Amino acid sequence: QKEVEQNSGPLSVPEGAIASLNCTYSDRVSQSFFWYRQYSGKSPELIMSIYSNGDKEDGRFTAQLNKASQYVSLLIRDSQPSDSATYLCAVTPGNTPLVFGKGTRLSVIA
Amino acid sequence: NAGVTQTPKFQVLKTGQSMTLQCAQDMNHNSMYWYRQDPGMGLRLIYYSASEGTTDKGEVPNGYNVSRLNKREFSLRLESAAPSQTSVYFCASSERTGGRIETQYFGPGTRLLVL
Repeated sequence: QKEVEQNSGPLSVPEGAIASLNCTYSDRVSQSFFWYRQYSGKSPELIMSIYSNGDKEDGRFTAQLNKASQYVSLLIRDSQPSDSATYLCAVTPGNTPLVFGKGTRLSVIA
Repeated sequence: NAGVTQTPKFQVLKTGQSMTLQCAQDMNHNSMYWYRQDPGMGLRLIYYSASEGTTDKGEVPNGYNVSRLNKREFSLRLESAAPSQTSVYFCASSERTGGRIETQYFGPGTRLLVL
């Protein structure tokens, strides 16, 4: 059974701080990694995708991938109350559907 | 472009009734998916269609059937609804590039309540 593990939270951070969200996965052949954001009552929307070891930055968001440790993380700099949502990590070996973690709920306190 | 659309947005069924959830995408994607999302359980794959004419079971297929009507449309049918099928259902689509699944894009969801 392929598994993607995330802390359910809630993770509470003050406005302006860095939020760090973590994800581990069990399938060693995983090649593609995604972070989705889901607001309450809404559908998941893509924030970042990452395919290679290292960091990938997009605005206030940085995804970090370490395939040897089977670990992917998402950093949100200068966190805003509008970042409060559930963040879903998703993984695939590349040719099969994404496997999603259960998500981490982030709360940014103004 | 509308992206991925789903109908209906909300439905109430009685146990034993049947219904079909409709999904369409206008992004010319080859692959389409049906997920259900329950509190504390995350997104679980019900069925998917890697390309037009093919369908495969996901993690939780029991009680459901699917039809890939054409490249744009992928429907999910509940033949005899049960209270355990109360959930939020999401349809998604993605492209494949060189055999690799690219980003999945989600529809707005259908909230189903089975009494």
